[in-house]
Amino acid sequence: TQLLEQSPQFLSIQEGENLTVYCNSSSVFSSLQWYRQEPGEGPVLLVTVVTGGEVKKLKRLTFQFGDARKDSSLHITAAQPGDTGLYLCAGGDAFGNEKLTFGTGTRLTIIP
Amino acid sequence: NAGVTQTPKFRVLKTGQSMTLLCAQDMNHEYMYWYRQDPGMGLRLIHYSVGEGTTAKGEVPDGYNVSRLKKQNFLLGLESAAPSQTSVYFCASSYSTTGLEAFFGQGTRLTVV
Repeated sequence: TQLLEQSPQFLSIQEGENLTVYCNSSSVFSSLQWYRQEPGEGPVLLVTVVTGGEVKKLKRLTFQFGDARKDSSLHITAAQPGDTGLYLCAGGDAFGNEKLTFGTGTRLTIIP
Repeated sequence: NAGVTQTPKFRVLKTGQSMTLLCAQDMNHEYMYWYRQDPGMGLRLIHYSVGEGTTAKGEVPDGYNVSRLKKQNFLLGLESAAPSQTSVYFCASSYSTTGLEAFFGQGTRLTVV
């Protein structure tokens, strides 16, 4: 079973601060995606990384895929209240089983 | 565009009752998934399908069955509901798990009493 552990589980910070969320596994993934979920809604994709060591930026959000394709991080610069939500990483199965496995989630609250 | 539509949105069942959750997608996606989400936890994969007529078990398949008779529909069945199946259920679809986006429905909140 492929497991994706996210840390921290909960994070509450002041507006304007920076933060990093981690997604770790002992398994290799073909790709790694990050989603954000609002209350009462399904997750929505933020970014996909597919190459070991890849870094992608989306405005104030920076995503990195580990060199060995087993871990990823999400860094937010100058957090804003609109960043509040549940952040989920998801890994594509590297063994052709076509499963998409989700992480345990990080609930982020930005305090104005 | 409808995307992924789940019905019903809410349901309360008594222990031992059965029900079917319907997921429909209009994006011609090959892959479809059923997840459950419990408080404080991420999404856990119940069953998935890589194409019409195929299904496979995920992490937590016990107590659930699925069918994919048509490409656009993926049904999740509970034959004899238990309180441990109280959860929010999400259906998703995608072209592929390799680097492409999974689109989610809005979820079904199921309570088993």
